[in-house]
Amino acid sequence: GESVGLHLPTLSVQEGDNSIINCAYSNSASDYFIWYKQESGKGPQFIIDIRSNMDKRQGQRVTVLLNKTVKHLSLQIAATQPGDSAVYFCAERGSGGSYIPTFGRGTSLIVHP
Amino acid sequence: NAGVTQTPKFQVLKTGQSMTLQCAQDMNHNSMYWYRQDPGMGLRLIYYSASEGTTDKGEVPNGYNVSRLNKREFSLRLESAAPSQTSVYFCASSPDEKLFFGSGTQLSVL
Repeated sequence: GESVGLHLPTLSVQEGDNSIINCAYSNSASDYFIWYKQESGKGPQFIIDIRSNMDKRQGQRVTVLLNKTVKHLSLQIAATQPGDSAVYFCAERGSGGSYIPTFGRGTSLIVHP
Repeated sequence: NAGVTQTPKFQVLKTGQSMTLQCAQDMNHNSMYWYRQDPGMGLRLIYYSASEGTTDKGEVPNGYNVSRLNKREFSLRLESAAPSQTSVYFCASSPDEKLFFGSGTQLSVL
C-alpha cells in the first residue's frame, strides 16, 4: 500500500479483477481525503473524495473506504480495465481551514489484459 | 474550456540559466499551486497562491520564485537553475479542496 516515506509500490492485476489500493495517512486531524489518478505523461486527475465524517463513499466503479481508527484509506476499483493503469495518489487535508492537501507517494496500478 | 494550461511542455537548461514556467487557468479559481514531481517522491508543493495578490511558500521553495500576475496566471521562475531542479513541474488551480492539474513541464538541468 501507499504511505509517505515508502518507495512507489506496484499493484499488478488481471483485467476484470477488483483492485484495492491502500493508503496510510499520518495526521489524525485530517478531515478530508482525495484520490487522484495520474496517467503516463499527464497531470493528476480527481477520482473521488471522502470527508472524515464518512466511512465509505461510492462512485462509478470506485469506492473509497476510510478507517479513522487506524488512519487508513483505501480505493477499490471494480472490474479493473486496462485504462485504469496509472499511478494513484491519496491526499489528505488537515483541519484548520487550509485547502492545501498533502500527497502520498503513489501506487502504480498495472492491469494485464 | 482548456482548464489549466502550462508552457512549455519540455525544457532543457544549462546550470545557471534562468527561465519562467507559465501557467494559466480559465476556471476562475482563486487558488493556484506549483508542485514538483520526482520519481518515487510524489508531489511536493513549491509555492501556492490562495488568491490574487498573495503567494506563500510550500514544502520546497528554495531556488524558486513565483508571481501571481492576475487571477488567471501564476508563473514559476528559476533564477539560476541547478541539476537538483530537474523534475516534472505541475501547476494546479482549485476553487476549494479539489485541485485541477495541468499536464506538466518536464525540465532537465544539465
